[in-house]
Amino acid sequence: AQTVTQSQPEMSVQEAETVTLSCTYDTSESDYYLFWYKQPPSRQMILVIRQEAYKQQNATENRFSVNFQKAAKSFSLKISDSQLGDAAMYFCAYTNTGNQFYFGTGTSLTVIP
Amino acid sequence: DAMVIQNPRYQVTQFGKPVTLSCSQTLNHNVMYWYQQKSSQAPKLLFHYYDKDFNNEADTPDNFQSRRPNTSFCFLDIRSPGLGDAAMYLCATSRGSNSLAEQYFGPGTRLTVT
Repeated sequence: AQTVTQSQPEMSVQEAETVTLSCTYDTSESDYYLFWYKQPPSRQMILVIRQEAYKQQNATENRFSVNFQKAAKSFSLKISDSQLGDAAMYFCAYTNTGNQFYFGTGTSLTVIP
Repeated sequence: DAMVIQNPRYQVTQFGKPVTLSCSQTLNHNVMYWYQQKSSQAPKLLFHYYDKDFNNEADTPDNFQSRRPNTSFCFLDIRSPGLGDAAMYLCATSRGSNSLAEQYFGPGTRLTVT
């Protein structure tokens, strides 16, 4: 069975600094997608970034980038130049079918002014 | 804009009184999901529809039912809400197995049980 593990329940970062959130997953599949979702307090869950497993190049979206290590089954999110609006719960997620998605337990990120 | 809409955003019900939450989408996605999310926890999948095919998670209580009358709408029925059912309920959609793409989430309905 697929599992997604986020080992950091809480993280904090100074405004304008860089922070990395960790995620590992377990799968026997070779083709799959990985995602990072952001859920601000009392607000909608939105997609931050996604990575196709067949792509060797790490995905990047503005200040957000991932370090995808397929052999190690690791998928970390790096947030550069952290802003107050980045404060949220971050969930790592996996799918290999497009039907079922598996979520990690989340990392609560605090941004310190 | 194409989106996932949930109504109501806040719902208060009494212990044991049936309640229905609704979700609609303009994305024309094949798959619709219902998640339960309690404070500071990951969303817990209750069930999902692939088109009209209903898929129930093994640990979803019988108290929770769902209906999908058409592509656009999906309903979550809680037959006899208990205090433990107070949570945020998230609806999500995805294109489905022909496209490994992300889920799109609605804003959620926060259910309070008194």
